[in-house]
Amino acid sequence: NAGVTQTPKFRVLKTGQSMTLLCAQDMNHEYMYWYRQDPGMGLRLIHYSVGEGTTAKGEVPDGYNVSRLKKQNFLLGLESAAPSQTSVYFCASSYRRVQNTEAFFGQGTRLTVV
Amino acid sequence: ILNVEQSPQSLHVQEGDSTNFTCSFPSSNFYALHWYRWETAKSPEALFVMTLNGDEKKKGRISATLNTKEGYSYLYIKGSQPEDSATYLCASTSYDKVIFGPGTSLSVIP
Repeated sequence: NAGVTQTPKFRVLKTGQSMTLLCAQDMNHEYMYWYRQDPGMGLRLIHYSVGEGTTAKGEVPDGYNVSRLKKQNFLLGLESAAPSQTSVYFCASSYRRVQNTEAFFGQGTRLTVV
Repeated sequence: ILNVEQSPQSLHVQEGDSTNFTCSFPSSNFYALHWYRWETAKSPEALFVMTLNGDEKKKGRISATLNTKEGYSYLYIKGSQPEDSATYLCASTSYDKVIFGPGTSLSVIP
């Protein structure tokens, strides 16, 4: 029962570097989400996907891109990392829209941009 | 209320105490209210999804109530145990948006 798996778990980037965070789920969920979590704030939605081949912007999409080429994978890319992107990133998936049903979360990726 | 607010921000209780905390959310365009339990170094896990005004849900020693007219939900833990130590997140959902609160951090002291 892997559920939602995120890789990597930790990463340190220099300003301007790029990287991709991978989220994989084995529950055949249609919906997938990327959130960031910062101290004192709730989880904020970056981008989401309602199915294979689709993506949409969330609350804080600037500086990020995503792709959903396969139903089970949702990738989050940072093209040119900035210190403001230092955060903990969580991927989640759900059977239906997360408004209707519970979301299942990965264990997070702690990213530091120096 | 435009955002989801949770209070208190943190809470320290003795083992065996009962406790409760609050989630306040926008009452307009309300669709559902979620509670998640988030242990350190783990991922958030869903506790309850509630949709109807007056809903009450229970799972073991944890229960929750919902008032959609006034925009609040209470989470209760009866007889707190050290394993209840975690951050409790609520999320308010409308048709097109999910807004998470900042969480209440609970520490249960043995």
